Amino acid sequence: DTGVSQDPRHKITKRGQNVTFRCDPISEHNRLYWYRQTLGQGPEFLTYFQNEAQLEKSRLLSDRFSAERPKGSFSTLEIQRTEQGDSAMYLCASSPTSGRGKNEQFFGPGTRLTVL
Amino acid sequence: QQQVKQSPQSLIVQKGGIPIINCAYENTAFDYFPWYQQFPGKGPALLIAIRPDVSEKKEGRFTISFNKSAKQFSLHIMDSQPGDSATYFCAAPHSGTYKYIFGTGTRLKVLA
Repeated sequence: DTGVSQDPRHKITKRGQNVTFRCDPISEHNRLYWYRQTLGQGPEFLTYFQNEAQLEKSRLLSDRFSAERPKGSFSTLEIQRTEQGDSAMYLCASSPTSGRGKNEQFFGPGTRLTVL
Repeated sequence: QQQVKQSPQSLIVQKGGIPIINCAYENTAFDYFPWYQQFPGKGPALLIAIRPDVSEKKEGRFTISFNKSAKQFSLHIMDSQPGDSATYFCAAPHSGTYKYIFGTGTRLKVLA
């Protein structure tokens, strides 16, 4: 399978705990994005990387959220001191920066987070 | 805050019908307009996309119509099937960046 993969697919945690999600983009894609989707809404942008550089962060990304993309390959999204309002689907997407599919974003299956 | 406004919120059609979903955008700098299909519990899947230098694009049973002057674009699904029942999102890239702004989604149900 050469698509975007995310791990875990589901995470249930208690309020106040830290969680970390992983995303593996399509191998030749330089850009990697994180979005958050709540029930009945469209995905909302959180942050994106070009290679290992984090180029933009949304105001939605409070100081409890941090994302990394070491070596420009996989990325992790960590949420510290989780709150019930963090419950959502966290989506990762990747896109190439050149060629026919330039800027087309391909999404992974998402990580469903439930904070109790 | 740049927005993409999508309508209707939900849609029910009979098998073989042609559901139409509309989106309106604000920023004229948008230059790429994708549509995504999402099934429950899955990530959005890229369905079809259009650039503003054309007014229509067809891929199989899916057609995008684009009206640059009205800043609107729409998705038509020809000969709709029960398997098309899903939530559809339009999107546009935020000007000057590569992030997408998504519409609020349209939940489509195609009756057998």
